[in-house]
Amino acid sequence: RKEVEQDPGPFNVPEGATVAFNCTYSNSASQSFFWYRQDCRKEPKLLMSVYSSGNEDGRFTAQLNRASQYISLLIRDSKLSDSATYLCAVSGYALNFGKGTSLLVTP
Amino acid sequence: DAGVIQSPRHEVTEMGQEVTLRCKPISGHNSLFWYRQTMMRGLELLIYFNNNVPIDDSGMPEDRFSAKMPNASFSTLKIQPSEPRDSAVYFCASTAAGANTEAFFGQGTRLTVV
Repeated sequence: RKEVEQDPGPFNVPEGATVAFNCTYSNSASQSFFWYRQDCRKEPKLLMSVYSSGNEDGRFTAQLNRASQYISLLIRDSKLSDSATYLCAVSGYALNFGKGTSLLVTP
Repeated sequence: DAGVIQSPRHEVTEMGQEVTLRCKPISGHNSLFWYRQTMMRGLELLIYFNNNVPIDDSGMPEDRFSAKMPNASFSTLKIQPSEPRDSAVYFCASTAAGANTEAFFGQGTRLTVV
């Protein structure tokens, strides 16, 4: 079983929609949690860290549920420019990534 | 800051040849990660260095793969001999303080073994 699992999608949504991604992790001792964004043929870049109390950055909201060992990312009012692959990352001893969830926002 | 620098950006080689990928982490960062990304397996951690010391190499596929970090500003990932199934994008990433801080990725090396 992989340490970090995500639904690969793709998620196809119209502009303005709200979309949510989930990610589960297997190591209960994990310490830090992140969402990265990866554009086609580019490197991953940090979108936001995920804090225990949940955190928001503009249209993006991240939440952590330690009891159920999952993290989530909510994108409100989707823009065309949000089209990308979203990778969750979990760290403890090392930094492990999920396979990513592909999002396509259409006009 | 120039960011994490990887070379070469693209590499095409014949099966059986030795391949060396290079990485220069961000100055001052103390942790370096090598990842391999494929459509099938996603972004896999190969090896993790902290202060130039390999901490976890459990992700290295087999003995054909080796990695070194002779100093804080340089790391190599070597594949010898290369096989077609090694074709992937190889990323190097560095962090300022271990696995719990933001990872900055290089642009990757796209390796094709024919």
